[in-house]
Amino acid sequence: GAGVSQSPSNKVTEKGKDVELRCDPISGHTALYWYRQRLGQGLEFLIYFQGNSAPDKSGLPSDRFSAERTGESVSTLTIQRTQQEDSAVYLCASSPGVSGRETQYFGPGTRLLVL
Amino acid sequence: AQSVSQHNHHVILSEAASLELGCNYSYGGTVNLFWYVQYPGQHLQLLLKYFSGDPLVKGIKGFEAEFIKSKFSFNLRKPSVQWSDTAEYFCAVPSLDTGRRALTFGSGTRLQVQP
Repeated sequence: GAGVSQSPSNKVTEKGKDVELRCDPISGHTALYWYRQRLGQGLEFLIYFQGNSAPDKSGLPSDRFSAERTGESVSTLTIQRTQQEDSAVYLCASSPGVSGRETQYFGPGTRLLVL
Repeated sequence: AQSVSQHNHHVILSEAASLELGCNYSYGGTVNLFWYVQYPGQHLQLLLKYFSGDPLVKGIKGFEAEFIKSKFSFNLRKPSVQWSDTAEYFCAVPSLDTGRRALTFGSGTRLQVQP
């Protein structure tokens, strides 16, 4: 079946504007993760969703970041009042579960540039 | 919080050379270990993973990794690299901060194979 998809693929915005990033996970995957990758660095965990449980928001860097997920489908990551340090590639991943042994399947990412 | 260290940031090899990329993690006890790879223009994808049993794990495309508990290491190896192995490689462990659900990634190693 189809893999994880993300939109937009690229986003350029001005400092102070809000942006919304979308992720469509693999159908049937109950877990969905958001990561951020700054230039030259590894992936940084932001938030994950598992079924109908409360999301783990422990990786969100500030209250300007929020995310929602509709059931076990689409997720939206919102960044309010964007700052230049928010420039990064935002990656979404999904997995069948959250056992710690699950393979995470990644989308192509959204490259965000804040001017 | 645990950490993952990849000491080789950029490796350049000629085709047919042997490869070893280092990965060290900071916590003991039960550990699951992953190597992910991102080929140019492609999504991040799983290369191999270790949960238990034989510490020598084989993955796709001739890659293998050895888990050495006493050294907290999970180095990636390939006896003879090809130009198509040019990619960025990430080592990862389940994050204790997220109950082993999300992943903590190393900073990545960029491998460039020259024909």
